[in-house]
Order: sequence, then structure tokens, then C-alpha cells
Amino acid sequence: GQQVMQIPQYQHVQEGEDFTTYCNSSTTLSNIQWYKQRPGGHPVFLIQLVKSGEVKKQKRLTFQFGEAKKNSSLHITATQTTDVGTYFCAGGVQGAQKLVFGQGTRLTINP
Amino acid sequence: DGGITQSPKYLFRKEGQNVTLSCEQNLNHDAMYWYRQDPGQGLRLIYYSQIVNDFQKGDIAEGYSVSREKKESFPLTVTSAQKNPTAFYLCASRYRGDEKLFFGSGTQLSVL
Repeated sequence: GQQVMQIPQYQHVQEGEDFTTYCNSSTTLSNIQWYKQRPGGHPVFLIQLVKSGEVKKQKRLTFQFGEAKKNSSLHITATQTTDVGTYFCAGGVQGAQKLVFGQGTRLTINP
Repeated sequence: DGGITQSPKYLFRKEGQNVTLSCEQNLNHDAMYWYRQDPGQGLRLIYYSQIVNDFQKGDIAEGYSVSREKKESFPLTVTSAQKNPTAFYLCASRYRGDEKLFFGSGTQLSVL
């Protein structure tokens, strides 16, 4: 079945450093979504990418969707303590009514 | 105030007991989903429903059951057949034609 692999599993950075998490799918995706889960909280939708090679920015966050629509990345520039949490990618396949989530990357930050 | 409400926030199950987790949404969303999250793990799909009175098994449906008698409600029963039920359970919903999921605040289930 479809699998979405996400790396790294954990990342610890100093405040102000950059952070990147990567997702790779075993199959071509129709779209990829990114969610953030704060400690003790629930996942919250960040963004959806649909087009091949698409790049979207939200302030210090940059999201990319690969040309083959099988991989994606989330890059945070100059991390702040408010960025702490687990970031999940979730891939959608055309015709399927469900998303497949990656394992998540847990980001911790040393102030 | 629209949203997804999960209850209870914490639940304890005794050996051999069935327990039911509640999920209610007032967003008029068509599709609803149940995910299981284990510590340090991603979200694994248990069951999902696109319309009332219809639902499909996800990747880890064994030991669980659901019903969808109303559009607003999608309760999950964790049966005694689920031998490792301790986990954080998340309910989600989405509007037809929109891929984005909205999540409830979750229920932490533990075994006594």
C-alpha cells in the first residue's frame, strides 16, 4: 500500500537556526498537506500543495512539492520557540478519500 | 462556535471491556475519520466515513467498530478484541471537495 516516509524523526536546534523536514512517498501524489501538532495538542492544518514543483511560503516557513509529486519539504528559517512541535506531512492520492500521514518530525528548540 | 468535539478527554478501560469514544462536529462536514496516534508515531487510520450510514475500514480497523447514523456524529468503539488499546485517538472531518482535515482535541485511552 501507499507509504509516506518522513525524516528526520527528531530534530533539536538552537533558537535562530534553520530546520528542514522531508517527506517521500512510494506513489505519485495528487496533493500533499502539512500539519503542526503542538505538545499535548492536536494536528492543525498548515498548507496544501497540489502542483508539480510548487513552492509556497508562510512567513518563515517554506513548503516545496517535488517535480515528480512524490516528495516534499518544509523549511523553517530562523526558528523561534513558538515553532516547537511535531510536523506531519500527509499525502493524498487521486480517487482515494483518505490521507496517508508520515511519521512526523518532532522539533525541539533550545532558547 | 463551530468545531469538532471529542469526549472524554481521558478514558480508562478495564480488561475485557468495550469503550466508546465520542466525536461530534457542527461544521456540516461530510467526511469523518478516526486516527490512532502512539507516542513518537504518525497517525494511523482506523475507520472513515464519507456519508451517513456508510463507512470503510482504514489500515488498522481490527478490534474497533464505528457507526455513522447522523452526519454530525461518528463514535468509535474500542472492543475487547483490541489487545493494545493504549493510545491517543483523534477524530477529524472535512468538507466534500476540500482535502483539508480539521481535528478534534483527542481522547487519551489507557488500560487499567
